Amino acid sequence: DTAVSQTPKYLVTQMGNDKSIKCEQNLGHDTMYWYKQDSKKFLKIMFSYNNKELIINETVPNRFSPKSPDKAHLNLHINSLELGDSAVYFCASSSRVEKLFFGSGTQLSVL
Amino acid sequence: DQQVKQNSPSLSVQEGRISILNCDYTNSMFDYFLWYKKYPAEGPTFLISISSIKDKNEDGRFTVFLNKSAKHLSLHIVPSQPGDSAVYFCAAVRRLNYGGSQGNLIFGKGTKLSVKP
Repeated sequence: DTAVSQTPKYLVTQMGNDKSIKCEQNLGHDTMYWYKQDSKKFLKIMFSYNNKELIINETVPNRFSPKSPDKAHLNLHINSLELGDSAVYFCASSSRVEKLFFGSGTQLSVL
Repeated sequence: DQQVKQNSPSLSVQEGRISILNCDYTNSMFDYFLWYKKYPAEGPTFLISISSIKDKNEDGRFTVFLNKSAKHLSLHIVPSQPGDSAVYFCAAVRRLNYGGSQGNLIFGKGTKLSVKP
């Protein structure tokens, strides 16, 4: 009974393709996030949504578009994938920003 | 521009001894400091936090110390156990709203702790 689940766990694709990562939380939280962990192991916030509304949008290429159909879901769509997009993407949710619940991550490899 | 720094990429400790993980920060406006633990192929999990108005918070074997004048915090694990072997991320947050539901959690690069039996 996973609290924050994201799919797929692994995603291997060619440069130029469009792909999506899905995230769902069953914790009843109002706020959801996407974080990126790059090759240098930094975990950096990409987006934050509160009740389906975009709250934080860090400097992320506009090829990345988050979509929140309801407060339990926050999907990430990536257009025209580039080699530099290869990373682990984590979805998270919270009711208080100091305590995030993370999904298990999606390892994206762009070839 | 790293606002949260963990200068030790790895630490090795004997089972039963104390593990001390260190973290430095630059932004004096942070409200909360946290430690997250991460096992391979899993997401980070919340471990312990401390408000910027406190200097110590304890939860079982885990204690976090905050030294605001030095902009430094540390996590002490006593006694260390092999199951504690993981990557530990220090994080800090400045809340964006009064209710505390919004803010940007900023992470350090992590320290890989290995506890040897």
